Amino acid sequence: DVKVTQSSRYLVKRTGEKVFLECVQDMDHENMFWYRQDPGLGLRLIYFSYDVKMKEKGDIPEGYSVSREKKERFSLILESASTNQTSMYLCASSLPKDRRNTGELFFGEGSRLTVL
Amino acid sequence: TQLLEQSPQFLSIQEGENLTVYCNSSSVFSSLQWYRQEPGEGPVLLVTVVTGGEVKKLKRLTFQFGDARKDSSLHITAAQPGDTGLYLCAGGSGGSTLGRLYFGRGTQLTVWP
Repeated sequence: DVKVTQSSRYLVKRTGEKVFLECVQDMDHENMFWYRQDPGLGLRLIYFSYDVKMKEKGDIPEGYSVSREKKERFSLILESASTNQTSMYLCASSLPKDRRNTGELFFGEGSRLTVL
Repeated sequence: TQLLEQSPQFLSIQEGENLTVYCNSSSVFSSLQWYRQEPGEGPVLLVTVVTGGEVKKLKRLTFQFGDARKDSSLHITAAQPGDTGLYLCAGGSGGSTLGRLYFGRGTQLTVWP
């Protein structure tokens, strides 16, 4: 059974702390994504990666960075957490889109981060 | 900029009723996907449509991709409490192997017994 695993389901951090959100997939997918989900705003793309050590900014990268040292692992880093980064964070992976694959995203269960 | 507009944002109905959720855009997409998300879980793919005018059925759910590949609809017949969840449409950009998806804001469906 395919799986995307996010390391923490719930985190509570203080303003200014450095936060690491880890994501691991066991499907040998090239593409990995980090989204945040807020009520009324839907899913917004923070960063994505299409290969090891490669990363691209999404729509809302400010205040975040990412690391992809291994194919199966994609980490989201909040260098200095702020209260407006309180949110649900979703990691996803997919195969490259081609004639056989339309880029279905496989999501983890999410990490709910609260910054006090 | 929201590429995909979903409506309605909230839908609360009784078991047995029919409903339709709409996903509209001014952009053309190479594919359109529908996901359902239940509380505490990540979204799960329901269907992908790739051809203009395409209709796909999944039990009581019917999905349609507009002829111009700019819009889509999800119709549920005889809704059940198990259909409760957040429904998300997502458009795929053409010509990119990355397969980036652009999501709508979602429709929160509640079906009461």
